[in-house]
Parts: sequence; structure tokens; C-alpha cells
Amino acid sequence: DVKVTQSSRYLVKRTGEKVFLECVQDMDHENMFWYRQDPGLGLRLIYFSYDVKMKEKGDIPEGYSVSREKKERFSLILESASTNQTSMYLCASSLKGGGFPNYGYTFGSGTRLTVV
Amino acid sequence: GQNIDQPTEMTATEGAIVQINCTYQTSGFNGLFWYQQHAGEAPTFLSYNVLDGLEEKGRFSSFLSRSKGYSYLLLKELQMKDSASYLCAVQGNNRKLIWGLGTSLAVNP
Repeated sequence: DVKVTQSSRYLVKRTGEKVFLECVQDMDHENMFWYRQDPGLGLRLIYFSYDVKMKEKGDIPEGYSVSREKKERFSLILESASTNQTSMYLCASSLKGGGFPNYGYTFGSGTRLTVV
Repeated sequence: GQNIDQPTEMTATEGAIVQINCTYQTSGFNGLFWYQQHAGEAPTFLSYNVLDGLEEKGRFSSFLSRSKGYSYLLLKELQMKDSASYLCAVQGNNRKLIWGLGTSLAVNP
């Protein structure tokens, strides 16, 4: 019954490495989001996408990029990993326009990334 | 600006009732969500309110007053497994949710 799948639960990478975090959803959702979550800072939006090949910057896009070549897949890329990117990364998806009833986001299980 | 406020931490006793408040100021309103997040896990959907009033779902209820920009989550008959963070989120005029920082609830025996 898995709906949003993130490729790795735990990941350890070295400073300077290029890191790919993959997210796949099987609910035919148009909207997909990447967040990072840090203690005391809550959920912070990195990038989001409302359609295939479309992407928009969120609140903290620096150091990250994204790719959405297919509707079901949204990838987050850390171009050159740094220690301050150590965090929990959460992918989420939602229906296009919301509407009623609207069940908001469905989250993946998260990837805890450690950069050493 | 857009803002969601909720208490940082709360403590309650097993079997008791606890109310977690959330106030918001957003550009537009298309619904308010409550999510539960256990430590180290992803948030999971609890409730959704778009009209004023109380929505009840088992031990959990959520209330909304749009005119006051206010919501609360009510948890009854608290259990140890209810120890978690509770996130309030509002959908404004676009498809992004605006998130509060969460309320960490500790349920003690």
C-alpha cells in the first residue's frame, strides 16, 4: 500500500559529492514537493513542481536542484554536498487543485542524510 | 506576511484530554490540516477543516474558526502512543501548504 516512495531511508555522503534523492508516487498526483526538516526549524520547502518538466524554487533552494521528467518521479539533487545539508529530507505529493475534500499532502518515509 | 503559531511543547497524562491550539494569518484560505509526526518518521494526515465547526474522528477532533484565524486539535483518552509532534498547516491561495513549527506532545503514565 506504499504511495510515496523515497529511494533511501538513511544515506551517508562525503563533502563535495553529488547526491541524488529520488521520490516516486503512484497516486497520479500533479504536485510534488521536497522539504528538509531540522529541529526547531520545522518543514522548509526546497523546491516544488506542479507538472512534468516544471519546477519552482521554494524557500531554501540554494545548493539544490530538481528534476521532473515523468509525472510520478521528482528527484532532488545536491550539486556538491556540504555538512550543513545534513538533515531529514521529505518528499510529498498532492492533487492538482485541492478542492473538497482535500487531503493535503502524502509524505514519503523520509531520507536521513548525513554529510561528513 | 504569512504565519502559523502553535505551542512548542505540551505535556499531558495518559487517559486525559489535551487541546493543541493553532492560530494563523495567511493570504487566502482553502483549508487547515493537522498532521501527526512520530520521532524519525514522516508526517501522517490527521484531519482537515475548511468550514467553521468541529470535525470528529474517533479520539481526535479538530475545530476551526475562520473569522478568528484559529483552530485546535483535541485528543481524548490519551495513550502513550500519542506522544508525537502535531503539525498545523494551512492551504492559502496556491497549492503549497504553510506549516507551523509543530507542537511536541509528551504523554506521561
